Amino acid sequence: ETGVTQTPRHLVMGMTNKKSLKCEQHLGHNAMYWYKQSAKKPLELMFVYSLEERVENNSVPSRFSPECPNSSHLFLHLHTLQPEDSALYLCASSQPSDRGLYNEQFFGPGTRLTVL
Amino acid sequence: GQNIDQPTEMTATEGAIVQINCTYQTSGFNGLFWYQQHAGEAPTFLSYNVLDGLEEKGRFSSFLSRSKGYSYLLLKELQMKDSASYLCAVLDSNYQLIWGAGTKLIIKP
Repeated sequence: ETGVTQTPRHLVMGMTNKKSLKCEQHLGHNAMYWYKQSAKKPLELMFVYSLEERVENNSVPSRFSPECPNSSHLFLHLHTLQPEDSALYLCASSQPSDRGLYNEQFFGPGTRLTVL
Repeated sequence: GQNIDQPTEMTATEGAIVQINCTYQTSGFNGLFWYQQHAGEAPTFLSYNVLDGLEEKGRFSSFLSRSKGYSYLLLKELQMKDSASYLCAVLDSNYQLIWGAGTKLIIKP
């Protein structure tokens, strides 16, 4: 138990569906992250929110839409996904990075997404 | 470009020692992390190195050589529960984490 929860743990959706992934952290952190993890590939950073403002999106397709209503909650809204979007989606939180400090990221268990 | 290299898979025997290597080329360096990820679970933090040398933490140790762009994770007295993927990640000059693809470690009795 890392203090970061994600729901649902598994999701199967069609290409025309709209769904949302939810992440919640109970660690008092001010930065939250969405990652995509595909088999045998490095973790891909999708979005970063620091103090509830988005600071990074790494050219992620617009079919992925993040939302951070407060520092404890993070959503990833999904619509018209493609089969290649099937992957494990991980949420993480940390204190914001700052010069001279490293901030360990705490990960949730992930949502295993399958797009049919 | 930025790159982190680590072996895809390694096999070791229970009770033995294994060393997982990681080499990196990044724009700047603000530290190197090792994470452990069991199948179907969240990655969990193992170690952080920012200065050259060896950091020991129980059965696990992590080594860093900044001049060589090289790190390793050393696991001693291997146990079956150590079967997992081990992820190497480097914090670059913009304080962004650059991740390796992970090394899947298989422990055999």
